[in-house]
Amino acid sequence: GAVVSQHPSWVICKSGTSVKIECRSLDFQATTMFWYRQFPKQSLMLMATSNEGSKATYEQGVEKDKFLINHASLTLSTLTVTSAHPEDSSFYICSAIWDRASGNTIYFGEGSWLTVV
Amino acid sequence: DAKTTQPPSMDCAEGRAANLPCNHSTISGNEYVYWYRQIHSQGPQYIIHGLKNNETNEMASLIITEDRKSSTLILPHATLRDTAVYYCIVRVWGGSQGNLIFGKGTKLSVKP
Repeated sequence: GAVVSQHPSWVICKSGTSVKIECRSLDFQATTMFWYRQFPKQSLMLMATSNEGSKATYEQGVEKDKFLINHASLTLSTLTVTSAHPEDSSFYICSAIWDRASGNTIYFGEGSWLTVV
Repeated sequence: DAKTTQPPSMDCAEGRAANLPCNHSTISGNEYVYWYRQIHSQGPQYIIHGLKNNETNEMASLIITEDRKSSTLILPHATLRDTAVYYCIVRVWGGSQGNLIFGKGTKLSVKP
């Protein structure tokens, strides 16, 4: 079963509004989560690294004031797309590191489709 | 993280083994090889990972060459549901390091 859950799976919003996407680690604590964006027929592109209790680290070219990340607890990170525009329409995916005695693996959420109209 | 090279696409007959190659000639000693796959419109799914020994789990086998410069993911009995893009990624182990850097992957098409 899934170990990382995203919500909502898809959302449609009006241009200029803000949208929040949640990423939860199930049954494990994740001090670090990652947010990716994927456009059609392209590979995943890392947007930012979300660290519990501290500020996110953004990749070059990603606007931190537009894509707000909050990692308020060890099992929840949120991505808020502020003042969304049609060009922000994309597939957003989160991932989390699961540290176990048997190893350290990254698991992904199911993804969230955002359509801005 | 080291760069990986994969063929852009492959076909496989249903029920046959699918062998997906990956080159990672610049891999460092502390980097692991990870395989993920992405079925259309879903998040990537973890398949397997390894350092230098061959690994097997319920999904697949991972064969890593002795010099660690290449590896092969083997799906022993491919089904139509295995049609996906497969990503080979190398990553340093441990802590908060190692966000995954995705290349273009191999689009595997399993045909009846």
